[in-house]
Amino acid sequence: EDQVTQSPEALRLQEGESSSLNCSYTVSGLRGLFWYRQDPGKGPEFLFTLYSAGEEKEKERLKATLTKKESFLHITAPKPEDSATYLCAVQSYNAGNNRKLIWGLGTSLAVNP
Amino acid sequence: DSGVTQTPKHLITATGQRVTLRCSPRSGDLSVYWYQQSLDQGLQFLIQYYNGEERAKGNILERFSAQQFPDLHSELNLSSLELGDSALYFCASSVTSDSGNTIYFGEGSWLTVV
Repeated sequence: EDQVTQSPEALRLQEGESSSLNCSYTVSGLRGLFWYRQDPGKGPEFLFTLYSAGEEKEKERLKATLTKKESFLHITAPKPEDSATYLCAVQSYNAGNNRKLIWGLGTSLAVNP
Repeated sequence: DSGVTQTPKHLITATGQRVTLRCSPRSGDLSVYWYQQSLDQGLQFLIQYYNGEERAKGNILERFSAQQFPDLHSELNLSSLELGDSALYFCASSVTSDSGNTIYFGEGSWLTVV
């Protein structure tokens, strides 16, 4: 069964303390892996799409990487405004007519000033 | 601003009632998705429409239904409401029906059932 697992569930960092969030997946064929950021009570905001192992994408203090089994979201020198829940979602090739994303439960990140 | 518009933003209603949530997709997007997010739970996919036709179904209860109109806006109807239906309901849209294509979310409709 296709599955997406994010770790840790929650992470607390000091401002400037770099770290990484993990998204591991088990799917029959990767179509794309997506990272979103969600603030409390708001809709998920799109960050990155990764399509193949070895691919990397960057945006400000965030960098997403992809291997055949997992993706990492690296946060360099985070600021308090980076506090949010980060969601990972995976689309499988063999989803057939069931074209839906498989979502992880997210990592709740808190950055203290 | 993602360009996806949802109304109402907040809604309080009693058990047993029926409500309708409305969504306008981003300009040019043909596909609309509905998701439910309860406290401490992840995003639960409910249903997808593409250009007016149902394309995929997720964990949508029989008490819930949706449709996409010719102008591409969509409505999610929730009936015989129960306390457990209290949640954030998100609409999302994408250009194509293939959700390998990036989907963009609205700000959500907060539903509280009392």
